[in-house]
Amino acid sequence: EDKVVQSPLSLVVHEGDTVTLNCSYEVTNFRSLLWYKQEKKAPTFLFMLTSSGIEKKSGRLSSILDKKELFSILNITATQTGDSAVYLCAAAIIQGAQKLVFGQGTRLTINP
Amino acid sequence: NAGVTQTPKFQVLKTGQSMTLQCAQDMNHNSMYWYRQDPGMGLRLIYYSASEGTTDKGEVPNGYNVSRLNKREFSLRLESAAPSQTSVYFCASRDSGGSYEQYFGPGTRLTVT
Repeated sequence: EDKVVQSPLSLVVHEGDTVTLNCSYEVTNFRSLLWYKQEKKAPTFLFMLTSSGIEKKSGRLSSILDKKELFSILNITATQTGDSAVYLCAAAIIQGAQKLVFGQGTRLTINP
Repeated sequence: NAGVTQTPKFQVLKTGQSMTLQCAQDMNHNSMYWYRQDPGMGLRLIYYSASEGTTDKGEVPNGYNVSRLNKREFSLRLESAAPSQTSVYFCASRDSGGSYEQYFGPGTRLTVT
């Protein structure tokens, strides 16, 4: 059974802290690992990682994939209250067609 | 461009009632997906359509049917709603090119009493 597990499920930090969110996966026909941010409504795309060891960065957010150990991390530095959201990771697989298998999400709360 | 649109935004049904959730995308994407999101469970795939004219079951298809009406529209039907189908439903679409990124609609919050 394809499985994606995120940890922690919930995290509360103070503004300015650095956080690391974890995502491990056990899936067949893996293609890529994607990160999404979900505020009140639809998930919005952050990163797609296909190659091991290559960091992707966007402002204060960065992410890296380890295909040997089957995990990815999402780092957020100098957190702001606007970073409060649910962060979802998803493994892209090919099973007849392309699909995403999502983890449970990490709810991140940034307190001022 | 509106991206992915969904109607309605909210719906309350009684057990046994039927309804159809509508989804449309204006990005000329080939693939479309329906997910449900329950607290603590992430997004689970209900049905998908890899291209116009094809549909396939996802992880949790029981109690649902879908129709890929044309390239733009993909609807999800609940024939006889049950309280276990209370959830937030998201439609998504994807271009069949290199990226695996899916674009999501705003969601429909469905409550079955």
